[in-house]
Amino acid sequence: QKEVEQDPGPLSVPEGAIVSLNCTYSNSAFQYFMWYRQYSRKGPELLMYTYSSGNKEDGRFTAQVDKSSKYISLFIRDSQPSDSATYLCAMRPGTDSWGKLQFGAGTQVVVTP
Amino acid sequence: EADIYQTPRYLVIGTGKKITLECSQTMGHDKMYWYQQDPGMELHLIHYSYGVNSTEKGDLSSESTVSRIRTEHFPLTLESARPSHTSQYLCASSGLSGANVLTFGAGSRLTVL
Repeated sequence: QKEVEQDPGPLSVPEGAIVSLNCTYSNSAFQYFMWYRQYSRKGPELLMYTYSSGNKEDGRFTAQVDKSSKYISLFIRDSQPSDSATYLCAMRPGTDSWGKLQFGAGTQVVVTP
Repeated sequence: EADIYQTPRYLVIGTGKKITLECSQTMGHDKMYWYQQDPGMELHLIHYSYGVNSTEKGDLSSESTVSRIRTEHFPLTLESARPSHTSQYLCASSGLSGANVLTFGAGSRLTVL
């Protein structure tokens, strides 16, 4: 069983809709939770990260972490065609894990005009 | 502009050849990483370095080797390439922004015939 599970998609939404992405994980030691975005033929880039449980908002993006359910989510409001990409969740324990992230396989998102 | 560069972007070679994938960053980051990414699969950490002359193997076993003689340079070498080495190799670095903020290169896609 994978430590981090993520639906591969593709997830197709019309422009302006809310995109909802999520990951589940099995390792209760994970403390830091990240979302990376990867465009085709590019490397991943960090969107946002959260520590432990709770919500974090950055512009059109909202990240939620529910550690009791081992479930994290990313919401994209007012989606744009430029949001079409693969979204990777990533996570790591709190100690001795600098840069050593456990990634999900990514969800491909397509926003149609 | 601070960035991380990978060369070659694409490489097709025959079995048994020695290859080196180059990775350089201009951000002065002390920590660098190599991740391997296959289609539809999660990224796996294969090597990391926390500074000059310091290298460690990651979670995924790999026949490749790395070196870190200069802060900005973190090449990956395969002494004898095999078809099983066909994959995308992503180099990343992190610095004072924190352990969750990895800056990735665009990747080197290796195909071994």
